[in-house]
Amino acid sequence: DAMVIQNPRYQVTQFGKPVTLSCSQTLNHNVMYWYQQKSSQAPKLLFHYYDKDFNNEADTPDNFQSRRPNTSFCFLDIRSPGLGDAAMYLCATSRDRSSGYTFGSGTRLTVV
Amino acid sequence: KQEVTQIPAALSVPEGENLVLNCSFTDSAIYNLQWFRQDPGKGLTSLLLIQSSQREQTSGRLNASLDKSSGRSTLYIAASQPGDSATYLCAVPNSGNTPLVFGKGTRLSVIA
Repeated sequence: DAMVIQNPRYQVTQFGKPVTLSCSQTLNHNVMYWYQQKSSQAPKLLFHYYDKDFNNEADTPDNFQSRRPNTSFCFLDIRSPGLGDAAMYLCATSRDRSSGYTFGSGTRLTVV
Repeated sequence: KQEVTQIPAALSVPEGENLVLNCSFTDSAIYNLQWFRQDPGKGLTSLLLIQSSQREQTSGRLNASLDKSSGRSTLYIAASQPGDSATYLCAVPNSGNTPLVFGKGTRLSVIA
C-alpha cells in the first residue's frame, strides 16, 4: 500500500544533542509537510516543501531545519533540542496544494 | 490569519447515539476542508475531504457538511460505536490553497 512512513516511532534524545527525524513516502506526492503537535494542542506547521521549493513558517525556531534530498524523503533536524521541543512530530504529504493530506504515524520525541 | 475553532472540546455519549461535531473558521477563502481522526499517541487518519464547491461528503456512517460563506462545517456520526472513540480534528488552509491550519479537536468517548 502507498503510504507515509516515519522513523523512528519513538525517539529519546539528550538536551542539546542534535537529532534527526525521517519521513518517506511511496505516494509520489509533490508536497511534504512537517507539523509539531504538543499534548492536547492543534498540530502546528513548521515548514513544507513544494517539490524542491522550501517554505519556512515565520515563527518556526531557527533550531529546526529540514532537508528534502529527493521526492520520497524528507528529514527534520533539531540542532539543539530543548525540553520545550518534546512533542509529536507529524509528517504529511499531498499531491498538490489543493489536495487532501496523508499523514504518517508520527514520531514521539522525548528530551531528557 | 486563519483561526479554527472546534466545539465541543470533549463529548461523551452512549453507544448508538447520533452526534454532531462542529468546526468554525474565520477566513472563508478556502479551497477545501478536511476532517481527521487521531487515536491517542498516533498520527492523523483522513476521514473526509470537502472541496470548496461541494456542500457535503459522506463515507459510511460519517457525513461532513461545509457552509463556506458562514465559515462552518459539521461532522455527523451516525449510530456511534465504542471504536469511534478518538479525537476528531478539522483543518482548513490558512487562505486559498496554503497549508492546513488545524483546530484543537473534539475528544469523543463512546460508552458501551
